[in-house]
Amino acid sequence: SYVLTQPPSVSVAPGKTARITCGGYNFGSRTVHWYQQKPGQAPVVVMYYDTDRPSGIPERFSGSNSGNTATLTISRVEAGDEADYYCQVWDSSTDHRVFGGGTKLTVL
Amino acid sequence: EVQLLESGGGLVQPGGSLRLSCAASGFTFSLYAMNWVRQAPGKGLEWVSTIRSSGDNTFYADSVRGRFTISRDNSKNTLFLQMDSLRAEDTAVYYCAKEVTIFRSTAYFDYWGQGTLVSVSS
Repeated sequence: SYVLTQPPSVSVAPGKTARITCGGYNFGSRTVHWYQQKPGQAPVVVMYYDTDRPSGIPERFSGSNSGNTATLTISRVEAGDEADYYCQVWDSSTDHRVFGGGTKLTVL
Repeated sequence: EVQLLESGGGLVQPGGSLRLSCAASGFTFSLYAMNWVRQAPGKGLEWVSTIRSSGDNTFYADSVRGRFTISRDNSKNTLFLQMDSLRAEDTAVYYCAKEVTIFRSTAYFDYWGQGTLVSVSS
């Protein structure tokens, strides 16, 4: 089955930029989606189709996908951004949905 | 407002069965694929199963294929997950999630329920 790889943790100071990566084999042809999950809450989509931001998600959140890596970038990080972030793709060979292992974002 | 409300979780012994339900409202349920996604305690998200809008096509993670059955009742706007031969490793919060599907291109989850906890233990 298809595997997505994320760093387990990323730490950033308030006001700085956080970059969370997601990689996989032959990744460039796949469209990536990102979810934010805060403790005790359900996940919320923060980026879809690589670069599209749902309404209500701050412009500080942006996405990119190039080569074998997709990146969720959070600019001017705030304490409220502290959460687990998951990338997700659709695997065309199996019609399965696949999540990365998740990245815990810590705001120092 | 889209709402997804899961129910049916609880404590069950290994080898037992449980049926989860997800009541949907705020959108035309019959037009959208639906999913179950689970999260074991302290772990990440794991996709479990998808059912297409009409119910004619279903897909399962390897970890649950042959033991779990996803179904839906479009007349009652309800999604189900029948879980049989449960194992300790099935212990998780189970989320129901509405899907946005671009045929043969991609799929993602735009709305999630709050989840229901399934505990498998003797």
